[in-house]
Amino acid sequence: QQQVKQSPQSLIVQKGGIPIINCAYENTAFDYFPWYQQFPGKGPALLIAIRPDVSEKKEGRFTISFNKSAKQFSLHIMDSQPGDSATYFCAASNTGTASKLTFGTGTRLQVTL
Amino acid sequence: KAGVTQTPRYLIKTRGQQVTLSCSPISGHRSVSWYQQTPGQGLQFLFEYFSETQRNKGNFPGRFSGRQFSNSRSEMNVSTLELGDSALYLCASSPFGGAGTEAFFGQGTRLTVV
Repeated sequence: QQQVKQSPQSLIVQKGGIPIINCAYENTAFDYFPWYQQFPGKGPALLIAIRPDVSEKKEGRFTISFNKSAKQFSLHIMDSQPGDSATYFCAASNTGTASKLTFGTGTRLQVTL
Repeated sequence: KAGVTQTPRYLIKTRGQQVTLSCSPISGHRSVSWYQQTPGQGLQFLFEYFSETQRNKGNFPGRFSGRQFSNSRSEMNVSTLELGDSALYLCASSPFGGAGTEAFFGQGTRLTVV
């Protein structure tokens, strides 16, 4: 019940395209859903996060869409750039004390010219 | 504001040895969590410390342990190293209680067990 399923495993889009990465969870106690971006040799960097009381959140070119009834959430990257090429991880947690992040398996995104 | 600092960045150890990794959280952050990242298992939670107390623990054997000091700096120890312990070990700090909110990661320590 702690799993977070992420797809696709890899994604190639052209510059300016809108890659979409999807995640699904099972644990209805999860109430915090962040996305992380990781470049080779670096630690994951927090991109954007959402809580289940809203259906969408935008920060710059990054948008999270959240569907509580379907237990799914997704990341959209608007006007993607080659510099966005990285691995993206979704995660989920219960933000009570002593919580932990449960991560998806990651999506390797390549943005071509 | 300085980010999360992990030392050393790279380590090579022999099977059977033990290793200690260090993490300095962002100033003012009191929660420190550790994660293991491998190509096969992805990112997995090891444990979280808050105010020098372990508050949550993942599904790892007792060879993995940690501690937190009064200045919130944390160390992680792995004893009797196995080849499968080769991984990127990541430390994350959070400003509030609870590891699941706004976790900021360091660059990690790459451990290779030979």
